[in-house]
Amino acid sequence: GNSVTQMEGPVTLSEEAFLTINCTYTATGYPSLFWYVQYPGEGLQLLLKATKADDKGSNKGFEATYRKETTSFHLEKGSVQVSDSAVYFCALTHLGQNFVFGPGTRLSVLP
Amino acid sequence: GAVVSQHPSWVICKSGTSVKIECRSLDFQATTMFWYRQFPKQSLMLMATSNEGSKATYEQGVEKDKFLINHASLTLSTLTVTSAHPEDSSFYICSARDRGGSGYTFGSGTRLTVV
Repeated sequence: GNSVTQMEGPVTLSEEAFLTINCTYTATGYPSLFWYVQYPGEGLQLLLKATKADDKGSNKGFEATYRKETTSFHLEKGSVQVSDSAVYFCALTHLGQNFVFGPGTRLSVLP
Repeated sequence: GAVVSQHPSWVICKSGTSVKIECRSLDFQATTMFWYRQFPKQSLMLMATSNEGSKATYEQGVEKDKFLINHASLTLSTLTVTSAHPEDSSFYICSARDRGGSGYTFGSGTRLTVV
């Protein structure tokens, strides 16, 4: 079946540091790929998505590129802020089915 | 954009009682609703999938008699946790798929604590 693997962290960075959270997936065909963010005590918010190979999703300074050859969708941000502290979930969906989530990566950004 | 209103956002109940969680799509028709559960510091796991007007499909290991799902209209789906126990304490979140099948919107989640 479909699955998502991501670095579990926790990841602790200083403000303005570069962020990479790795995500790889296993799926048949061409799934749509997503990054969701969950702030403490809140629900999920869509951060960015990509629906086909080589697409780049971007939002709020975060970027991720759909790499079919490496089955990856790594999340990056050039300069993190304290307000980016949250849990980040990589996820996929395929053919209108349910989401499959990675385990989540907890990010803490220190001032 | 599409909005899914989920209520309550948090609830504390006594062991043995039932709790109903509602997810309502405010500006679109949700033909399919997915219900997920998230235990502390864990990822979200699919519990069940419901299509409007038909019975829900439950994932392996999820008790259908304990987690009652009703999707009677295109804008409302409910999850009722019956005879709740402390081990049911979790974060429950719904996700609605629109009629076109291309858009997914998550509710804000419900944190259930059973004491």
